[in-house]
Amino acid sequence: AQSVTQLDSHVSVSEGTPVLLRCNYSSSYSPSLFWYVQHPNKGLQLLLKYTSAATLVKGINGFEAEFKKSETSFHLTKPSAHMSDAAEYFCVVSDLSATGGFKTIFGAGTRLFVKA
Amino acid sequence: NAGVTQTPKFQVLKTGQSMTLQCAQDMNHEYMSWYRQDPGMGLRLIHYSVGAGITDQGEVPNGYNVSRSTTEDFPLRLLSAAPSQTSVYFCASSASSGQESSYEQYFGPGTRLTVT
Repeated sequence: AQSVTQLDSHVSVSEGTPVLLRCNYSSSYSPSLFWYVQHPNKGLQLLLKYTSAATLVKGINGFEAEFKKSETSFHLTKPSAHMSDAAEYFCVVSDLSATGGFKTIFGAGTRLFVKA
Repeated sequence: NAGVTQTPKFQVLKTGQSMTLQCAQDMNHEYMSWYRQDPGMGLRLIHYSVGAGITDQGEVPNGYNVSRSTTEDFPLRLLSAAPSQTSVYFCASSASSGQESSYEQYFGPGTRLTVT
């Protein structure tokens, strides 16, 4: 069965400092992994995705994530936070379902606060 | 392309009323799904469809019905609304419904439902 755990419900950083949002997952097969961002009262936007190619994935707005199979982790990082990065971030695992097609499971989300 | 559209944007229901949330996509995507978003719980999968005529349950299907008569449309029906169904509902679509679970999902703007 799939599951996703985002280890921090909220993270607070100062502008210009690094961002680390942590995600662990479990999956029965070979999952695809995603990070989505949701700004207040907005829909969801894809930041990046891992699809069994390179383990270090680069996304939009300077974000990247590293897939570590041995640790079942897919942490999101950014070298330098910007005020506009303040939002909620979701780690997502997508995998084959028993009845065909695939199922997608979202983590509970991490709210990122950026201080001036 | 309009992408994924949802109507209505906001809705208030009384307990026991029924209604249908509409979702349509114009990208010829096979895979469509419905999620609900509640504070601190991320998005939870309600139902999904891997193609016209095929639907399956997600994590939280109770109290909701779906059907998929066309590729474009995937309505979500609440048969007898309850306060516990107060939430924000997102519809999503993806190009993939088979072995390759690597395709990202495109999300609609959401429907905010309040049940009193």
